[in-house]
Amino acid sequence: NAGVTQTPKFQVLKTGQSMTLQCAQDMNHNSMYWYRQDPGMGLRLIYYSASEGTTDKGEVPNGYNVSRLNKREFSLRLESAAPSQTSVYFCASSPDNYEQYFGPGTRLTVT
Amino acid sequence: AQSVTQLDSQVPVFEEAPVELRCNYSSSVSVYLFWYVQYPNQGLQLLLKYLSGSTLVKGINGFEAEFNKSQTSFHLRKPSVHISDTAEYFCAVRNRGDKLIFGTGTRLQVFP
Repeated sequence: NAGVTQTPKFQVLKTGQSMTLQCAQDMNHNSMYWYRQDPGMGLRLIYYSASEGTTDKGEVPNGYNVSRLNKREFSLRLESAAPSQTSVYFCASSPDNYEQYFGPGTRLTVT
Repeated sequence: AQSVTQLDSQVPVFEEAPVELRCNYSSSVSVYLFWYVQYPNQGLQLLLKYLSGSTLVKGINGFEAEFNKSQTSFHLRKPSVHISDTAEYFCAVRNRGDKLIFGTGTRLQVFP
Protein backbone atom coordinates (compact mmCIF):
# COMPACT_ATOMS: atom_id res chain seq x y z
CA ASN A 1 0.00 0.00 0.00
CA ALA A 2 1.98 3.02 -1.28
CA GLY A 3 -0.53 5.68 -0.13
CA VAL A 4 -0.20 8.88 -2.16
CA THR A 5 2.58 9.02 -4.73
CA GLN A 6 3.78 12.02 -6.71
CA THR A 7 6.05 12.38 -9.72
CA PRO A 8 8.45 13.96 -10.34
CA LYS A 9 10.15 14.72 -7.02
CA PHE A 10 12.10 17.66 -8.45
CA GLN A 11 11.71 19.74 -11.59
CA VAL A 12 13.36 22.84 -13.04
CA LEU A 13 11.51 24.72 -15.77
CA LYS A 14 12.23 27.81 -17.80
CA THR A 15 9.61 30.56 -17.89
CA GLY A 16 6.94 29.70 -20.43
CA GLN A 17 7.51 25.93 -20.42
CA SER A 18 4.69 23.57 -19.55
CA MET A 19 4.57 20.46 -17.42
CA THR A 20 2.22 18.09 -15.66
CA LEU A 21 2.59 16.94 -12.06
CA GLN A 22 1.24 13.47 -11.50
CA CYS A 23 -0.49 12.17 -8.38
CA ALA A 24 -1.94 8.75 -7.63
CA GLN A 25 -3.49 7.15 -4.54
CA ASP A 26 -4.21 3.50 -3.88
CA MET A 27 -6.53 3.96 -0.88
CA ASN A 28 -9.78 4.16 -2.85
CA HIS A 29 -10.38 7.72 -1.62
CA ASN A 30 -13.06 9.84 -3.26
CA SER A 31 -11.52 13.27 -2.72
CA MET A 32 -8.17 14.53 -3.98
CA TYR A 33 -6.42 17.87 -3.61
CA TRP A 34 -3.51 19.90 -4.92
CA TYR A 35 -1.74 22.38 -2.63
CA ARG A 36 1.26 24.62 -2.93
CA GLN A 37 3.53 25.37 0.02
CA ASP A 38 5.49 28.59 0.19
CA PRO A 39 7.63 29.81 3.11
CA GLY A 40 5.59 31.58 5.77
CA MET A 41 2.30 30.94 3.97
CA GLY A 42 1.35 27.43 4.98
CA LEU A 43 -0.47 25.32 2.43
CA ARG A 44 -2.81 26.92 -0.06
CA LEU A 45 -5.37 24.93 -2.00
CA ILE A 46 -5.02 25.14 -5.79
CA TYR A 47 -7.73 22.73 -6.98
CA TYR A 48 -9.64 19.83 -5.56
CA SER A 49 -11.80 16.97 -6.78
CA ALA A 50 -14.60 15.74 -4.54
CA SER A 51 -15.19 12.68 -6.71
CA GLU A 52 -14.22 11.16 -10.01
CA GLY A 53 -15.33 13.42 -12.82
CA THR A 54 -15.57 16.64 -10.78
CA THR A 55 -13.02 19.37 -10.12
CA ASP A 56 -13.29 22.75 -8.38
CA LYS A 57 -11.08 25.77 -7.87
CA GLY A 58 -9.41 26.40 -4.57
CA GLU A 59 -7.79 29.52 -3.19
CA VAL A 60 -5.05 30.00 -5.82
CA PRO A 61 -6.13 28.37 -9.13
CA ASN A 62 -4.76 30.92 -11.61
CA GLY A 63 -2.12 29.50 -13.94
CA TYR A 64 -3.07 25.87 -13.25
CA ASN A 65 -5.37 23.23 -14.68
CA VAL A 66 -6.27 19.82 -13.32
CA SER A 67 -7.60 16.50 -14.56
CA ARG A 68 -9.20 13.77 -12.46
CA LEU A 69 -8.30 10.98 -14.83
CA ASN A 70 -9.99 8.26 -12.75
CA LYS A 71 -10.55 7.60 -9.06
CA ARG A 72 -6.84 6.98 -8.46
CA GLU A 73 -5.19 9.79 -10.41
CA PHE A 74 -5.33 13.58 -10.20
CA SER A 75 -2.88 15.60 -12.29
CA LEU A 76 -1.90 19.28 -12.13
CA ARG A 77 -0.80 21.09 -15.26
CA LEU A 78 1.14 24.33 -15.64
CA GLU A 79 0.54 25.55 -19.19
CA SER A 80 3.05 28.40 -19.17
CA ALA A 81 5.24 28.36 -16.08
CA ALA A 82 6.13 31.61 -14.31
CA PRO A 83 8.73 32.27 -11.59
CA SER A 84 5.86 32.93 -9.16
CA GLN A 85 4.97 29.25 -9.48
CA THR A 86 8.26 28.20 -7.88
CA SER A 87 7.01 26.23 -4.90
CA VAL A 88 6.61 22.82 -3.33
CA TYR A 89 3.46 21.09 -4.57
CA PHE A 90 1.60 18.53 -2.50
CA CYS A 91 -1.14 16.18 -3.54
CA ALA A 92 -3.50 14.79 -0.90
CA SER A 93 -6.45 12.44 -0.77
CA SER A 94 -9.27 11.93 1.69
CA PRO A 95 -11.85 9.19 2.20
CA ASP A 96 -14.45 11.33 3.92
CA ASN A 97 -13.45 14.98 3.76
CA TYR A 98 -12.06 14.85 7.29
CA GLU A 99 -8.40 13.95 7.48
CA GLN A 100 -6.21 14.15 4.43
CA TYR A 101 -3.29 11.95 3.44
CA PHE A 102 -0.37 13.69 1.75
CA GLY A 103 2.17 12.70 -0.86
CA PRO A 104 5.89 13.47 -0.50
CA GLY A 105 5.75 16.59 -2.66
CA THR A 106 7.27 17.96 -5.87
CA ARG A 107 9.84 20.76 -5.65
CA LEU A 108 9.40 22.98 -8.69
CA THR A 109 11.76 25.80 -9.66
CA VAL A 110 10.89 28.14 -12.52
CA THR A 111 13.78 30.26 -13.79
CA ALA B 1 -14.72 32.87 6.25
CA GLN B 2 -12.72 30.57 8.46
CA SER B 3 -9.13 31.53 9.26
CA VAL B 4 -6.38 29.92 11.32
CA THR B 5 -3.66 31.71 13.24
CA GLN B 6 -0.45 30.18 14.48
CA LEU B 7 1.13 33.08 16.29
CA ASP B 8 4.56 31.51 16.79
CA SER B 9 6.53 30.98 13.61
CA GLN B 10 9.39 29.35 15.55
CA VAL B 11 9.59 27.71 18.96
CA PRO B 12 13.02 26.75 20.29
CA VAL B 13 13.09 24.35 23.24
CA PHE B 14 15.56 22.09 24.99
CA GLU B 15 15.19 18.34 24.94
CA GLU B 16 12.93 16.90 27.68
CA ALA B 17 11.27 20.29 28.26
CA PRO B 18 7.50 20.71 27.77
CA VAL B 19 6.21 22.55 24.74
CA GLU B 20 2.96 24.21 23.66
CA LEU B 21 2.27 25.26 20.07
CA ARG B 22 -0.60 27.68 19.80
CA CYS B 23 -3.45 27.66 17.31
CA ASN B 24 -6.50 29.92 17.15
CA TYR B 25 -9.29 29.89 14.61
CA SER B 26 -11.98 32.39 13.74
CA SER B 27 -15.28 30.54 13.55
CA SER B 28 -16.42 27.92 16.05
CA VAL B 29 -19.55 26.76 14.27
CA SER B 30 -19.27 23.02 13.60
CA VAL B 31 -15.49 22.94 13.39
CA TYR B 32 -13.20 20.02 12.84
CA LEU B 33 -9.62 20.57 13.97
CA PHE B 34 -6.36 18.93 13.02
CA TRP B 35 -2.64 19.08 13.72
CA TYR B 36 -0.21 17.88 11.07
CA VAL B 37 3.56 17.44 11.31
CA GLN B 38 6.03 17.88 8.47
CA TYR B 39 9.54 16.49 8.85
CA PRO B 40 12.23 17.96 6.57
CA ASN B 41 11.71 17.19 2.89
CA GLN B 42 8.60 15.14 3.55
CA GLY B 43 4.87 15.49 3.16
CA LEU B 44 2.48 16.20 6.02
CA GLN B 45 1.26 13.48 8.33
CA LEU B 46 -1.64 13.65 10.73
CA LEU B 47 -0.75 14.02 14.42
CA LEU B 48 -4.25 14.20 15.85
CA LYS B 49 -7.77 15.39 15.13
CA TYR B 50 -10.85 16.66 16.90
CA LEU B 51 -14.18 15.85 15.27
CA SER B 52 -16.49 15.68 18.29
CA GLY B 53 -16.69 14.34 21.84
CA SER B 54 -13.94 14.76 24.43
CA THR B 55 -12.18 18.08 24.12
CA LEU B 56 -8.80 16.55 25.02
CA VAL B 57 -7.43 14.68 22.07
CA LYS B 58 -4.40 12.41 22.18
CA GLY B 59 -2.29 11.80 19.09
CA ILE B 60 0.82 10.01 17.98
CA ASN B 61 4.30 10.50 19.44
CA GLY B 62 2.96 11.64 22.84
CA PHE B 63 1.28 14.82 21.57
CA GLU B 64 -2.12 16.01 22.75
CA ALA B 65 -4.35 18.99 22.07
CA GLU B 66 -7.32 20.57 23.76
CA PHE B 67 -10.32 22.03 21.94
CA ASN B 68 -11.42 25.20 23.73
CA LYS B 69 -14.62 26.48 22.16
CA SER B 70 -14.88 29.66 24.22
CA GLN B 71 -11.35 30.74 23.33
CA THR B 72 -11.52 29.30 19.78
CA SER B 73 -8.19 27.57 20.37
CA PHE B 74 -6.68 24.16 19.72
CA HIS B 75 -3.21 24.28 21.25
CA LEU B 76 -0.81 21.36 20.83
CA ARG B 77 1.20 20.15 23.82
CA LYS B 78 3.83 17.61 24.70
CA PRO B 79 5.15 17.19 28.26
CA SER B 80 8.68 16.21 27.25
CA VAL B 81 10.09 16.74 23.75
CA HIS B 82 12.76 14.73 21.98
CA ILE B 83 15.28 15.78 19.34
CA SER B 84 13.25 13.77 16.81
CA ASP B 85 10.28 16.11 17.36
CA THR B 86 12.13 18.82 15.43
CA ALA B 87 9.77 19.56 12.54
CA GLU B 88 7.18 22.02 11.28
CA TYR B 89 3.71 21.75 12.76
CA PHE B 90 0.55 22.90 11.01
CA CYS B 91 -2.84 23.52 12.56
CA ALA B 92 -5.79 23.07 10.20
CA VAL B 93 -9.49 23.78 10.58
CA ARG B 94 -12.53 22.79 8.61
CA ASN B 95 -16.13 23.82 8.93
CA ARG B 96 -18.72 21.20 8.04
CA GLY B 97 -19.18 21.08 4.29
CA ASP B 98 -16.21 23.34 3.62
CA LYS B 99 -12.56 23.00 2.78
CA LEU B 100 -9.57 22.50 5.07
CA ILE B 101 -7.76 25.74 5.97
CA PHE B 102 -4.16 25.57 7.15
CA GLY B 103 -2.25 27.87 9.43
CA THR B 104 1.15 29.20 8.40
CA GLY B 105 3.03 26.66 10.50
CA THR B 106 5.25 26.64 13.59
CA ARG B 107 8.79 25.39 13.35
CA LEU B 108 9.71 23.45 16.50
CA GLN B 109 13.46 23.25 17.05
CA VAL B 110 14.59 20.93 19.84
CA PHE B 111 18.11 21.45 21.17
CA PRO B 112 20.16 18.88 23.11
